[in-house]
Amino acid sequence: DTAVSQTPKYLVTQMGNDKSIKCEQNLGHDTMYWYKQDSKKFLKIMFSYNNKELIINETVPNRFSPKSPDKAHLNLHINSLELGDSAVYFCASSHSHYEQYFGPGTRLTVT
Amino acid sequence: AQSVSQHNHHVILSEAASLELGCNYSYGGTVNLFWYVQYPGQHLQLLLKYFSGDPLVKGIKGFEAEFIKSKFSFNLRKPSVQWSDTAEYFCAVRDQGGKLIFGQGTELSVKP
Repeated sequence: DTAVSQTPKYLVTQMGNDKSIKCEQNLGHDTMYWYKQDSKKFLKIMFSYNNKELIINETVPNRFSPKSPDKAHLNLHINSLELGDSAVYFCASSHSHYEQYFGPGTRLTVT
Repeated sequence: AQSVSQHNHHVILSEAASLELGCNYSYGGTVNLFWYVQYPGQHLQLLLKYFSGDPLVKGIKGFEAEFIKSKFSFNLRKPSVQWSDTAEYFCAVRDQGGKLIFGQGTELSVKP
């Protein structure tokens, strides 16, 4: 009965590869988010979708492309991975602008 | 742009000591404020939130926070910490656009 789930939990890949991270929530929320947590544990929002529409798009390289097939899913595709993309990526969801519930995170390591 | 500042990078306490973690934000309008906790290797969990009303809010696990509008502060407190409170604590403010802006985090280490 996991509320916000992400797959995979760990992802190790080489520079230049393309990878995807998936996120699903079963809370019935209408808004979903992607955050990046760097090595110093600083959390920064990347994207937000409300009812499958992109509403927040921070200054993120074009190599990152979110996709929301429905309200319960928000996937993150990353092209041409770089060393600096290594981080923990957290998905979150909320009902409109209320408190956000976070997934377990995906630790991406680019070698 | 909205910003959140947490005063302490790393706090070390003995069990049963009292805790206060500072948080200041920059926005002067209506704000929604949050404290999240991240236990080692885990995801963020909501400790407490302030939307409106009583500025003293109580959260889970004995934590509380006080919203002081004149000081742009939302400090987190706990009267007596336990070893299991060892974690990273994040203050966050939601801006009018719906973005959650996080502070840089405070690592709390509680010695048994």
